Amino acid sequence: DTGVSQNPRHKITKRGQNVTFRCDPISEHNRLYWYRQTLGQGPEFLTYFQNEAQLEKSRLLSDRFSAERPKGSFSTLEIQRTEQGDSAMYLCASAGHHYGYTFGSGTRLTVV
Amino acid sequence: ELKVEQNPLFLSMQEGKNYTIYCNYSTTSDRLYWYRQDPGKSLESLFVLLSNGAVKQEGRLMASLDTKARLSTLHITAAVHDLSATYFCAVANQAGTALIFGKGTTLSVSS
Repeated sequence: DTGVSQNPRHKITKRGQNVTFRCDPISEHNRLYWYRQTLGQGPEFLTYFQNEAQLEKSRLLSDRFSAERPKGSFSTLEIQRTEQGDSAMYLCASAGHHYGYTFGSGTRLTVV
Repeated sequence: ELKVEQNPLFLSMQEGKNYTIYCNYSTTSDRLYWYRQDPGKSLESLFVLLSNGAVKQEGRLMASLDTKARLSTLHITAAVHDLSATYFCAVANQAGTALIFGKGTTLSVSS
């Protein structure tokens, strides 16, 4: 068990480009979450998967954002037509049958 | 809508002294979490509090939960430099589908 893995660690993109991030949760965890954290703020919930089903999405998740977890294992978060306001750390967390959540190291996105 | 407030947002501590961080939340929840975050790093789990009156301790940190007052405290005993970091509390929403975080409390310990 190597924890929650996120790739890439850093991404710099030009405004208007599309980006995709990947999260590999702990293998036995069926719950997966995406959060966004901007400087000086707490993480903000974006979306939640139980197995492959996306069960909740925040109002923060605009039409430009889409997340998938096709086989109930890894998940991807895509941002289309990136804007400077999308610059943030994107965190993935997974959870199993117990109450604890394990967070990944995050993907830091910079939109220039 | 569940809201989580922490105070203070910044705390300058002297080594060896005791301090308390407060976390208030707006609606009923059965789970409260405390995390630590170092600059540029991810979140490290400190405590999970599951019931009214729960108290957990690890080293110089002690967390408690009062669900009736919707209040959790993180008490720091005899602060040391290694505790310098940002501490977040997070509360599970009723459906259990999300954690809602406070803005964090940044601790700085000086000698």
